[in-house]
Amino acid sequence: GAVVSQHPSWVICKSGTSVKIECRSLDFQATTMFWYRQFPKQSLMLMATSNEGSKATYEQGVEKDKFLINHASLTLSTLTVTSAHPEDSSFYICSASHRDYEQYFGPGTRLTVT
Amino acid sequence: EDQVTQSPEALRLQEGESSSLNCSYTVSGLRGLFWYRQDPGKGPEFLFTLYSAGEEKEKERLKATLTKKESFLHITAPKPEDSATYLCAVQAASGTYKYIFGTGTRLKVLA
Repeated sequence: GAVVSQHPSWVICKSGTSVKIECRSLDFQATTMFWYRQFPKQSLMLMATSNEGSKATYEQGVEKDKFLINHASLTLSTLTVTSAHPEDSSFYICSASHRDYEQYFGPGTRLTVT
Repeated sequence: EDQVTQSPEALRLQEGESSSLNCSYTVSGLRGLFWYRQDPGKGPEFLFTLYSAGEEKEKERLKATLTKKESFLHITAPKPEDSATYLCAVQAASGTYKYIFGTGTRLKVLA
């Protein structure tokens, strides 16, 4: 149980375009979903927290207009990187939790912006 | 300020050589402490949740323990497939319940 999927697993896009990443909880209802960014050999950096049907709460320093998060249902959250630039290239990981207990992580999405 | 520190940063063990990883924390009221394993290029895999001092959890060669200031992840007779980065995270009792992560311990088990 407690499986979280992400799609796509990797994506290459051109500078200035937008990319959408999906995060789904497959076998449980995720009351809260989290989006992280991870740089090589570093720990996870929380970008934002989203609750179903509510606006996301962004961490300090994260541009909410650049990283659009939608949590439309109890099993789906999306992260859209708008007007992507090479510095947005990174490994993006989502997680989902039920009633704010342990988080279950997706497999991650490798984004490369050329 | 809430903080999590993991040590050592990296650890190399021979197959069968048992050891422990440390996670020290300061948090204003602990709701839970979580251990994860992360392989390169993948998302973290959930291992354990610990809620109160004195609690212990076991899974195969791994055993997690918790005190009021730190947690240990004991690895007994490790195998090469146990090589990974082990992450510790704490969740405060108040606020948004988001995780505070440590920087992880990179474990390499040599055959």
